[in-house]
Amino acid sequence: AQKITQTQPGMFVQEKEAVTLDCTYDTSDPSYGLFWYKQPSSGEMIFLIYQGSYDQQNATEGRYSLNFQKARKSANLVISASQLGDSAMYFCAMRAQRNYQLIWGAGTKLIIKP
Amino acid sequence: EAGVAQSPRYKIIEKRQSVAFWCNPISGHATLYWYQQILGQGPKLLIQFQNNGVVDDSQLPKDRFSAERLKGVDSTLKIQPAKLEDSAVYLCASSFNRGDTQYFGPGTRLTVL
Repeated sequence: AQKITQTQPGMFVQEKEAVTLDCTYDTSDPSYGLFWYKQPSSGEMIFLIYQGSYDQQNATEGRYSLNFQKARKSANLVISASQLGDSAMYFCAMRAQRNYQLIWGAGTKLIIKP
Repeated sequence: EAGVAQSPRYKIIEKRQSVAFWCNPISGHATLYWYQQILGQGPKLLIQFQNNGVVDDSQLPKDRFSAERLKGVDSTLKIQPAKLEDSAVYLCASSFNRGDTQYFGPGTRLTVL
């Protein structure tokens, strides 16, 4: 069965520190995509970063990078130099090959302390 | 480029009443999605459109929920009659095509009393 697991329900991080949010996935598809979204308390789901299963290099977008370890089936999000505005829920999602739909994790609540 | 628009942002209704949500996707996006997100959970796909056709509505409670996407652009999601367990955030998303990155609107927070 296809599944996304986010084992950290909540995290507290000091401002300006780097933070790693864990995501492991389970799939037998040879081709898949992995996404990270941010959901502030306002409710909007904001796309952060994407990694394709065949991409050789880890994806980066500004302060966000994705630590993709295919053999371990992990796709951790790394946020460098955290800011107060990074406080939010973070969701990892996987695109299924069969129907292109997203399978979502339960999310991690990140709180940045000043 | 304008993002996904949704209205209303908030809605409070009594159980057994009806409610409708509206979504305008990003211009040129063929695929439109409606999700239900219960507090503390990830989003659950209710229905997916490709242009004005339904691709998947397997998780849509069809006895009370309906959705349409007239002319392959705007979409409306309706609940009639509402139940207490329908209290949730309803998110609309669009993508250029199936499998592409999904971009979300601000959501509609529904409270059923």
